Amino acid sequence: DSGVTQTPKHLITATGQRVTLRCSPRSGDLSVYWYQQSLDQGLQFLIQYYNGEERAKGNILERFSAQQFPDLHSELNLSSLELGDSALYFCASSVVASILNTGELFFGEGSRLTVL
Amino acid sequence: DQQVKQNSPSLSVQEGRISILNCDYTNSMFDYFLWYKKYPAEGPTFLISISSIKDKNEDGRFTVFLNKSAKHLSLHIVPSQPGDSAVYFCAARGWSGGATNKLIFGTGTLLAVQP
Repeated sequence: DSGVTQTPKHLITATGQRVTLRCSPRSGDLSVYWYQQSLDQGLQFLIQYYNGEERAKGNILERFSAQQFPDLHSELNLSSLELGDSALYFCASSVVASILNTGELFFGEGSRLTVL
Repeated sequence: DQQVKQNSPSLSVQEGRISILNCDYTNSMFDYFLWYKKYPAEGPTFLISISSIKDKNEDGRFTVFLNKSAKHLSLHIVPSQPGDSAVYFCAARGWSGGATNKLIFGTGTLLAVQP
């Protein structure tokens, strides 16, 4: 158990709809990272939040948005869903990044989104 | 542009033998390299890491080797066990001093250890 909690574990929805994925980081971790894993793809970095503020951005579509709340949980909002958005969405958390630490991320079990 | 590449989608080895998983990268600014293991229906779990200033790091049955001149790293598992069967991801961090541990991942190698 990594200590990172993601809900829901599975989600099936239709094209054009909007969904929200939720993540609670490990106790004490201020950073939350979102990754997308599509079929036969590696984990693609979407976005990072640190203590409520956006810190780094990857290949995140404009239809997607995220935020981190004062209690440090994060939500990833996916709108105008397309078939190609079907994927595993992982949340990860880490301690404060430092040149002295290894960069280890702790991942949740993921939310599997199926768009029909 | 894929900065971290794992060119072997799968690997099959016999129990007790050595498993060697390979990874290539293009960005010379990466400061840490990590290996993650992923079982089906679970999130990736950290396995072992290596700093860019080292060439080897060992943890029990797992050893990671880094060849900076070739921009290549490998994970050796000796001896391999059936429980090691999983997808292995190579990842790299490019330190920019900006409070981010953003990792760039490869596409993964599925390791199957045959009893």
